[in-house]
Amino acid sequence: AQSVAQPEDQVNVAEGNPLTVKCTYSVSGNPYLFWYVQYPNRGLQFLLKYITGDNLVKGSYGFEAEFNKSQTSFHLKKPSALVSDSALYFCAVRDILTGGGNKLTFGTGTQLKVEL
Amino acid sequence: DGGITQSPKYLFRKEGQNVTLSCEQNLNHDAMYWYRQDPGQGLRLIYYSQIVNDFQKGDIAEGYSVSREKKESFPLTVTSAQKNPTAFYLCASTRKAGQGFSGANVLTFGAGSRLTVL
Repeated sequence: AQSVAQPEDQVNVAEGNPLTVKCTYSVSGNPYLFWYVQYPNRGLQFLLKYITGDNLVKGSYGFEAEFNKSQTSFHLKKPSALVSDSALYFCAVRDILTGGGNKLTFGTGTQLKVEL
Repeated sequence: DGGITQSPKYLFRKEGQNVTLSCEQNLNHDAMYWYRQDPGQGLRLIYYSQIVNDFQKGDIAEGYSVSREKKESFPLTVTSAQKNPTAFYLCASTRKAGQGFSGANVLTFGAGSRLTVL
């Protein structure tokens, strides 16, 4: 089965500073990787995905992620953090279901806190 | 606007009661999913359905049941057999893989239902 790991439960960063939220993956075959964001008591919102092609993927709200095959990582980045970026971030990998079809397997999440 | 509607947003249940969480989508998506979210554990798959009248168990199906009688609807019943039902429940959907590669695999989520057992 495919899996992802988010090694940090929480990341703190000052507004205006660059932010990185880490994710490593373990897959057989080519990985399909995703980042989602969740605000309190809400569903998850899609930020970006890597399927193939450029290792630097650009997504919503100024976020980007860098796919690194040799390090099996897919870290989420933003050049300048905003207080409004404070939320719970999930990395996910596509997994193939028995009998066909897909599901997403999620990491445990990283709480991002951006402070003034 | 297209999207997924989950209801109720908050639900309280006494021990021993069954409760049903509603999930309706108007995105014309084929596949629908139920995930359970607990603090520090991420999201875990309960059940999924790829077409009408068919559904499969996910990783933590014990104590739950579902139906898929219509394409738009995928209700989840939390039964009294579920030992620890207090959690945040998320419904999601996606287009069938193959129907537009760029859209496949990207899940759209509802706003969630928070179940508390008293």
